[in-house]
Amino acid sequence: GAGVSQSPSNKVTEKGKDVELRCDPISGHTALYWYRQSLGQGLEFLIYFQGNSAPDKSGLPSDRFSAERTGGSVSTLTIQRTQQEDSAVYLCASTPPGRWDEQFFGPGTRLTVL
Amino acid sequence: QKEVEQNSGPLSVPEGAIASLNCTYSDRGSQSFFWYRQYSGKSPELIMFIYSNGDKEDGRFTAQLNKASQYVSLLIRDSQPSDSATYLCALISGTYKYIFGTGTRLKVLA
Repeated sequence: GAGVSQSPSNKVTEKGKDVELRCDPISGHTALYWYRQSLGQGLEFLIYFQGNSAPDKSGLPSDRFSAERTGGSVSTLTIQRTQQEDSAVYLCASTPPGRWDEQFFGPGTRLTVL
Repeated sequence: QKEVEQNSGPLSVPEGAIASLNCTYSDRGSQSFFWYRQYSGKSPELIMFIYSNGDKEDGRFTAQLNKASQYVSLLIRDSQPSDSATYLCALISGTYKYIFGTGTRLKVLA
Protein backbone atom coordinates (compact mmCIF):
# COMPACT_ATOMS: atom_id res chain seq x y z
CA GLY A 1 0.00 0.00 0.00
CA ALA A 2 0.93 3.64 -0.16
CA GLY A 3 3.30 5.03 2.40
CA VAL A 4 3.22 8.35 4.20
CA SER A 5 3.12 11.19 1.73
CA GLN A 6 4.05 14.83 2.25
CA SER A 7 3.65 17.89 0.13
CA PRO A 8 5.25 19.96 -1.12
CA SER A 9 8.60 18.19 -1.29
CA ASN A 10 10.36 21.55 -1.41
CA LYS A 11 9.19 24.99 -0.40
CA VAL A 12 11.09 28.23 -0.77
CA THR A 13 9.51 31.24 0.84
CA GLU A 14 10.38 34.73 1.89
CA LYS A 15 10.83 35.74 5.48
CA GLY A 16 7.53 36.83 6.98
CA LYS A 17 5.32 34.70 4.74
CA ASP A 18 3.07 31.91 6.01
CA VAL A 19 3.52 28.34 4.83
CA GLU A 20 1.43 25.19 5.04
CA LEU A 21 2.93 21.72 4.97
CA ARG A 22 0.75 18.69 4.40
CA CYS A 23 1.03 15.11 5.61
CA ASP A 24 -1.09 12.19 4.47
CA PRO A 25 -0.47 9.22 6.79
CA ILE A 26 -0.83 5.57 5.95
CA SER A 27 -4.48 4.59 5.86
CA GLY A 28 -5.60 3.21 9.21
CA HIS A 29 -2.71 4.66 11.16
CA THR A 30 -4.07 6.45 14.19
CA ALA A 31 -0.97 8.21 15.48
CA LEU A 32 0.76 10.99 13.57
CA TYR A 33 3.94 12.87 14.44
CA TRP A 34 5.60 15.97 13.07
CA TYR A 35 9.34 16.45 13.43
CA ARG A 36 11.83 19.07 12.34
CA GLN A 37 15.35 18.21 11.25
CA SER A 38 17.80 21.04 10.86
CA LEU A 39 20.99 20.55 8.89
CA GLY A 40 23.21 17.96 10.57
CA GLN A 41 20.85 17.58 13.49
CA GLY A 42 18.64 14.85 14.85
CA LEU A 43 14.90 14.91 14.71
CA GLU A 44 13.15 17.43 16.94
CA PHE A 45 9.68 16.40 18.09
CA LEU A 46 7.05 19.01 17.27
CA ILE A 47 3.57 17.59 17.76
CA TYR A 48 1.72 14.29 18.21
CA PHE A 49 -1.83 13.37 17.25
CA GLN A 50 -3.56 10.20 18.44
CA GLY A 51 -7.03 9.50 17.13
CA ASN A 52 -9.51 12.04 18.43
CA SER A 53 -7.51 12.89 21.55
CA ALA A 54 -6.13 16.35 22.16
CA PRO A 55 -2.73 16.66 20.47
CA ASP A 56 0.53 16.94 22.37
CA LYS A 57 1.86 20.29 21.17
CA SER A 58 4.71 20.46 23.66
CA GLY A 59 7.40 20.45 20.98
CA LEU A 60 6.16 23.40 18.95
CA PRO A 61 8.97 25.99 19.18
CA SER A 62 6.78 29.10 19.17
CA ASP A 63 3.20 30.26 18.74
CA ARG A 64 3.95 30.85 15.05
CA PHE A 65 3.67 27.08 14.64
CA SER A 66 0.34 25.28 14.63
CA ALA A 67 -0.98 22.00 13.34
CA GLU A 68 -4.28 20.34 12.82
CA ARG A 69 -5.45 16.93 11.81
CA THR A 70 -8.78 16.68 10.07
CA GLY A 71 -10.95 13.58 10.30
CA GLY A 72 -8.17 11.66 11.98
CA SER A 73 -6.24 11.49 8.73
CA VAL A 74 -4.53 14.33 6.86
CA SER A 75 -2.52 16.80 8.90
CA THR A 76 -1.37 20.31 8.11
CA LEU A 77 1.51 22.08 9.82
CA THR A 78 1.31 25.85 9.49
CA ILE A 79 4.16 28.22 10.15
CA GLN A 80 3.18 31.88 10.29
CA ARG A 81 5.55 34.78 9.68
CA THR A 82 8.40 32.46 8.75
CA GLN A 83 11.90 33.22 9.94
CA GLN A 84 15.22 32.06 8.52
CA GLU A 85 15.75 29.77 11.49
CA ASP A 86 12.62 27.86 10.42
CA SER A 87 14.58 26.51 7.45
CA ALA A 88 14.75 22.75 7.92
CA VAL A 89 13.29 19.47 6.71
CA TYR A 90 9.89 18.82 8.22
CA LEU A 91 9.13 15.13 8.57
CA CYS A 92 5.85 13.45 9.26
CA ALA A 93 5.48 9.92 10.60
CA SER A 94 2.55 7.67 11.41
CA THR A 95 2.13 4.49 13.42
CA PRO A 96 -0.52 1.78 13.26
CA PRO A 97 -2.94 1.27 16.15
CA GLY A 98 -1.21 -0.15 19.19
CA ARG A 99 2.18 -0.35 17.47
CA TRP A 100 4.03 2.72 18.65
CA ASP A 101 7.28 0.93 17.79
CA GLU A 102 6.52 0.94 14.08
CA GLN A 103 6.99 4.51 12.98
CA PHE A 104 6.82 5.10 9.23
CA PHE A 105 8.25 8.34 7.91
CA GLY A 106 7.23 10.38 4.93
CA PRO A 107 9.82 11.81 2.53
CA GLY A 108 9.77 15.20 4.23
CA THR A 109 9.30 18.78 3.10
CA ARG A 110 12.45 20.85 2.76
CA LEU A 111 11.61 24.41 3.77
CA THR A 112 13.94 27.25 2.87
CA VAL A 113 13.21 30.71 4.21
CA LEU A 114 15.09 33.45 2.38
CA GLN B 1 22.76 17.28 29.21
CA LYS B 2 21.07 16.03 26.07
CA GLU B 3 18.54 13.29 26.57
CA VAL B 4 20.11 11.09 23.90
CA GLU B 5 23.78 11.48 23.04
CA GLN B 6 25.69 10.11 20.11
CA ASN B 7 29.13 10.79 18.70
CA SER B 8 28.57 12.62 15.42
CA GLY B 9 31.47 10.84 13.70
CA PRO B 10 32.25 10.16 10.99
CA LEU B 11 33.05 6.62 11.98
CA SER B 12 35.08 5.05 9.20
CA VAL B 13 35.45 1.29 8.94
CA PRO B 14 36.80 -0.88 6.13
CA GLU B 15 34.45 -3.09 4.18
CA GLY B 16 33.85 -6.39 5.96
CA ALA B 17 34.67 -5.04 9.41
CA ILE B 18 32.35 -4.64 12.38
CA ALA B 19 30.97 -1.15 12.89
CA SER B 20 30.09 -0.27 16.47
CA LEU B 21 27.74 2.63 17.11
CA ASN B 22 27.02 3.86 20.60
CA CYS B 23 24.35 5.92 22.30
CA THR B 24 23.83 7.05 25.89
CA TYR B 25 20.66 8.40 27.41
CA SER B 26 19.75 10.29 30.54
CA ASP B 27 16.22 9.14 31.42
CA ARG B 28 16.46 6.01 33.57
CA GLY B 29 12.74 5.46 33.09
CA SER B 30 13.06 4.89 29.35
CA GLN B 31 12.03 1.41 28.29
CA SER B 32 12.04 1.39 24.49
CA PHE B 33 15.01 2.06 22.27
CA PHE B 34 15.37 2.28 18.52
CA TRP B 35 17.99 2.49 15.82
CA TYR B 36 17.14 4.26 12.58
CA ARG B 37 19.23 4.54 9.45
CA GLN B 38 19.07 7.72 7.40
CA TYR B 39 20.68 8.02 4.01
CA SER B 40 21.65 11.50 2.91
CA GLY B 41 18.60 13.41 1.73
CA LYS B 42 16.23 10.63 2.74
CA SER B 43 13.92 10.03 5.66
CA PRO B 44 14.82 7.70 8.56
CA GLU B 45 13.98 4.03 8.38
CA LEU B 46 13.75 1.71 11.36
CA ILE B 47 16.47 -0.91 11.67
CA MET B 48 15.78 -2.37 15.09
CA PHE B 49 14.10 -1.80 18.40
CA ILE B 50 15.09 -3.24 21.75
CA TYR B 51 13.34 -3.24 25.11
CA SER B 52 15.21 -5.75 27.27
CA ASN B 53 18.73 -5.76 28.60
CA GLY B 54 21.10 -7.80 26.52
CA ASP B 55 21.51 -8.43 22.83
CA LYS B 56 19.03 -8.62 20.00
CA GLU B 57 20.18 -9.88 16.63
CA ASP B 58 18.64 -9.37 13.21
CA GLY B 59 20.77 -10.47 10.31
CA ARG B 60 23.99 -8.46 10.28
CA PHE B 61 22.68 -6.12 12.96
CA THR B 62 22.89 -6.58 16.72
CA ALA B 63 21.42 -4.11 19.18
CA GLN B 64 22.71 -4.12 22.74
CA LEU B 65 21.00 -2.53 25.70
CA ASN B 66 22.40 -1.92 29.17
CA LYS B 67 19.87 -0.07 31.28
CA ALA B 68 22.10 0.07 34.35
CA SER B 69 24.75 1.95 32.39
CA GLN B 70 22.17 3.76 30.25
CA TYR B 71 23.64 2.92 26.90
CA VAL B 72 22.46 1.34 23.70
CA SER B 73 24.71 0.17 20.91
CA LEU B 74 24.35 -1.13 17.39
CA LEU B 75 26.83 -3.53 15.84
CA ILE B 76 26.92 -4.01 12.10
CA ARG B 77 28.82 -7.11 11.05
CA ASP B 78 30.42 -7.51 7.63
CA SER B 79 29.95 -3.81 6.92
CA GLN B 80 29.19 -2.91 3.32
CA PRO B 81 29.58 0.41 1.49
CA SER B 82 25.77 0.45 1.27
CA ASP B 83 25.68 0.71 5.07
CA SER B 84 27.21 4.18 4.81
CA ALA B 85 24.59 6.45 6.32
CA THR B 86 23.73 8.33 9.49
CA TYR B 87 22.47 6.13 12.31
CA LEU B 88 20.00 7.70 14.71
CA CYS B 89 19.43 6.38 18.20
CA ALA B 90 16.01 7.08 19.70
CA LEU B 91 13.97 6.29 22.76
CA ILE B 92 10.40 6.77 23.82
CA SER B 93 9.84 9.15 26.70
CA GLY B 94 6.59 8.36 28.45
CA THR B 95 4.23 6.40 26.24
CA TYR B 96 4.67 7.86 22.77
CA LYS B 97 7.14 10.76 22.55
CA TYR B 98 10.23 9.86 20.57
CA ILE B 99 13.50 11.53 21.49
CA PHE B 100 16.23 11.26 18.88
CA GLY B 101 19.97 11.67 19.09
CA THR B 102 21.78 13.75 16.52
CA GLY B 103 23.11 10.66 14.78
CA THR B 104 26.46 9.08 13.98
CA ARG B 105 27.68 9.20 10.42
CA LEU B 106 29.12 5.87 9.30
CA LYS B 107 31.42 5.54 6.31
CA VAL B 108 32.27 2.07 5.08
CA LEU B 109 35.35 2.18 2.91
CA ALA B 110 35.50 -0.16 -0.07
